[in-house]
Amino acid sequence: DQQVKQNSPSLSVQEGRISILNCDYTNSMFDYFLWYKKYPAEGPTFLISISSIKDKNEDGRFTVFLNKSAKHLSLHIVPSQPGDSAVYFCAASGYSTLTFGKGTMLLVSP
Amino acid sequence: EAQVTQNPRYLITVTGKKLTVTCSQNMNHEYMSWYRQDPGLGLRQIYYSMNVEVTDKGDVPEGYKVSRKEKRNFPLILESPSPNQTSLYFCASSYNRGRNEQFFGPGTRLTVL
Repeated sequence: DQQVKQNSPSLSVQEGRISILNCDYTNSMFDYFLWYKKYPAEGPTFLISISSIKDKNEDGRFTVFLNKSAKHLSLHIVPSQPGDSAVYFCAASGYSTLTFGKGTMLLVSP
Repeated sequence: EAQVTQNPRYLITVTGKKLTVTCSQNMNHEYMSWYRQDPGLGLRQIYYSMNVEVTDKGDVPEGYKVSRKEKRNFPLILESPSPNQTSLYFCASSYNRGRNEQFFGPGTRLTVL
């Protein structure tokens, strides 16, 4: 049973536009959420996180929104840049484990 | 430089031949974890450790062992590898539990023939 779902395997966006990556979760015990970015041949790197007591967190061009009632979070990248092209993983944290989604490949074209 | 290192980076082996993938971190992190990444399945947690001598199963622990004798090291052991363990493996560490951002190693590409 997949507890963290990223239903879009890929997303293509033009440079300068907004990228919106979505993530749904099913486990109500998750109370901390993170986004990771992964380039080929590298390990994932942390991007941004949000606690369940908040509904928004911003860091530069990246904003994460959390809708607890819908068990949904999204990552907004504005403006998108070609260097943002990577696989983005949504992750949810319970007490001691981190559960990842399958990832969304973002392609930002010039 | 703060980092998580894994060795080897690439390994081709045969079914049944015991192997160990090492993981080391220099950030004094308490929490360490192993993941495998497979096409279409994303990252799945194999084992994690919340501190020295404390380890626990993740989502896909079958066929793997771990140990945490020192804070900095968290080796992954495959006692009798099988082809379905062919995968890309990542070690990660963080200050505590799964709450904080985890720092990932560069990955180990394992092929079991």
